[in-house]
Formats: sequence, structure tokens, C-alpha cells
Amino acid sequence: DTGVSQNPRHKITKRGQNVTFRCDPISEHNRLYWYRQTLGQGPEFLTYFQNEAQLEKSRLLSDRFSAERPKGSFSTLEIQRTEQGDSAMYLCASSLVVGLETQYFGPGTRLLVL
Amino acid sequence: TQLLEQSPQFLSIQEGENLTVYCNSSSVFSSLQWYRQEPGEGPVLLVTVVTGGEVKKLKRLTFQFGDARKDSSLHITAAQPGDTGLYLCAGDALNTGFQKLVFGTGTRLLVSP
Repeated sequence: DTGVSQNPRHKITKRGQNVTFRCDPISEHNRLYWYRQTLGQGPEFLTYFQNEAQLEKSRLLSDRFSAERPKGSFSTLEIQRTEQGDSAMYLCASSLVVGLETQYFGPGTRLLVL
Repeated sequence: TQLLEQSPQFLSIQEGENLTVYCNSSSVFSSLQWYRQEPGEGPVLLVTVVTGGEVKKLKRLTFQFGDARKDSSLHITAAQPGDTGLYLCAGDALNTGFQKLVFGTGTRLLVSP
């Protein structure tokens, strides 16, 4: 089992550019979560998928953010027209809903918007 | 909005000392989890507590869930430099239909040799 992987690990972009992050969950995990973590804070929930369906979105997820999980496996998180306030660590987690759910986190993608 | 407050925010101790980290909320959670996070990495689950009053031990770490399921504590006995890291508590919000984790602000622990 290779765990949750995220790419890229680091991304530096200029304000106004679009960026896309990828998350590959643990094989056969049916739920996938996205979180954002700013410096000195705990992660904050952004959105989650049950298989390919996006079932919940946080108010933190502005119109510039979009997430997909087209085949119920990997997921992408796109941020359009990035702003400096988008600078953060973006974490992905996956889980298999059997009994007590446990989310396994990836290493994150650290975004810096200049 | 459910909030989890952790204290202390930062703790610097010598190897061999004991410490306790607190996680408090005015909200009830269906379960509470403790994670440890290393710099540049994602959080790693240490334990999940589900029942009010539950106590779980993981080697030198002891976790307790409050009777009312609103608070929790993490106690480390004889801390070692390898315990250094960011400790996060996370509550599973009630009645959401999924595991909506609300994270605390974290406690950064530094254990010096």
C-alpha cells in the first residue's frame, strides 16, 4: 500500500495564474477529502467526494476553486486567478467507509502565490 | 461554527519530562482524533476516541475523551526528542453524514535532549 500521494509537492505561481493539484488516494478508498492549512493553523475542510460525487463544499471554497474526481479514483483541485491569500498547504485525505472511518492524509502541496 | 481550542500553543521541554496537551470545545463531537504532523508532511493519525470518558494508551502517550465528548487531553510521559512535532486534535462533527473533521489550532512540541 503506497499511501496517499499528492503532486506537485510545491508550487510557486504569480497572482492571477491558474494552478491545479492532483491527489491519488489509497487504492479502493471511496471517500476523498481536501483541506487547506495555513501557517500556524490546523487544517480546514474544503470539500469531499464519495466515489465520483462531490457531496459537500465548505464556504471556504470560493467560485475560483473547483475540484473533480472523474472516475472515483484520483482527484484534482484547481484554483483560478490565484490570490496571495490562497498561499497555503493543500492536503488531501482518503478513507474507506467501513466501521469507524479513518482519514489518511497525503504529504500536501504547498502553494506560494507571489 | 464548531471550534476546538488547543493549549498550550507551544511547549518546549527537556527529554524525560512529562506534559499534557488540552483540546477544548463547547460543542459535542461524535469522536475525536489526535494527529501528529511533521514539517512539510501531512498529519498522521495517532488515536481515535469515541466514547465519553474513554482512555486509550499508546506506549508513552495517554489520550482521554471528556465525559461530555466536548474535550480531550493528550499526556506524554518521559518525552523523547522523537516526540517533537505538531500535535493536532480533530473532532468529528455531529450529524453531517460524513466525517467532517474540525481541527484545533495545534500544539507545537519541542523536546530537547
